[in-house]
Amino acid sequence: GDSVTQMEGPVTLSEEAFLTINCTYTATGYPSLFWYVQYPGEGLQLLLKATKADDKGSNKGFEATYRKETTSFHLEKGSVQVSDSAVYFCALRNTGGFKTIFGAGTRLFVKA
Amino acid sequence: GAGVSQSPSNKVTEKGKDVELRCDPISGHTALYWYRQRLGQGLEFLIYFQGNSAPDKSGLPSDRFSAERTGESVSTLTIQRTQQEDSAVYLCASSLVPAGGPETQYFGPGTRLLVL
Repeated sequence: GDSVTQMEGPVTLSEEAFLTINCTYTATGYPSLFWYVQYPGEGLQLLLKATKADDKGSNKGFEATYRKETTSFHLEKGSVQVSDSAVYFCALRNTGGFKTIFGAGTRLFVKA
Repeated sequence: GAGVSQSPSNKVTEKGKDVELRCDPISGHTALYWYRQRLGQGLEFLIYFQGNSAPDKSGLPSDRFSAERTGESVSTLTIQRTQQEDSAVYLCASSLVPAGGPETQYFGPGTRLLVL
């Protein structure tokens, strides 16, 4: 079945460091891919999404490119801030479906 | 408020008791989802409601779990005869577009359930 695998955390970085959180997926068909973020004490919220191969989703300085050849959707940010500390979830949903499959989440700590 | 709300935010119960969790979706959202998140794990789909259609209950882990939704409003998730393995955060989400397209799901803050 469909699945999402993302790098284990926690990831600890200093402010202004470069961030990569790896995400790979297994799916039949052509899924849409998402990154959700959960800030401390808040609900999950959509960070960015991509609906087809080679699409790049971006928001708040974060980017992720839908790579069909490597079945990946890695999250990147060039310069993290303390306020980026949160748990990040990679997810997919197959075309025509409603079930969203989530990865286990990666906790990011950014130190000042 | 404009977001998805859930209550209670925390619930501690004894093994064998029944619990009821509530979700208030964003007004006008036709689709509503329940997920379970065990400690250190990803979100596990439980059930999906879309308008007045029959819900998709394929993710419910056992017959102790049930959920209801009246129209496009409040939903309740009931767990009967709770077990310790039911301890988790239960998340509710709602969305405007019911299926197909990559619509955005809006999540509530969750109910943290602890079964002693």
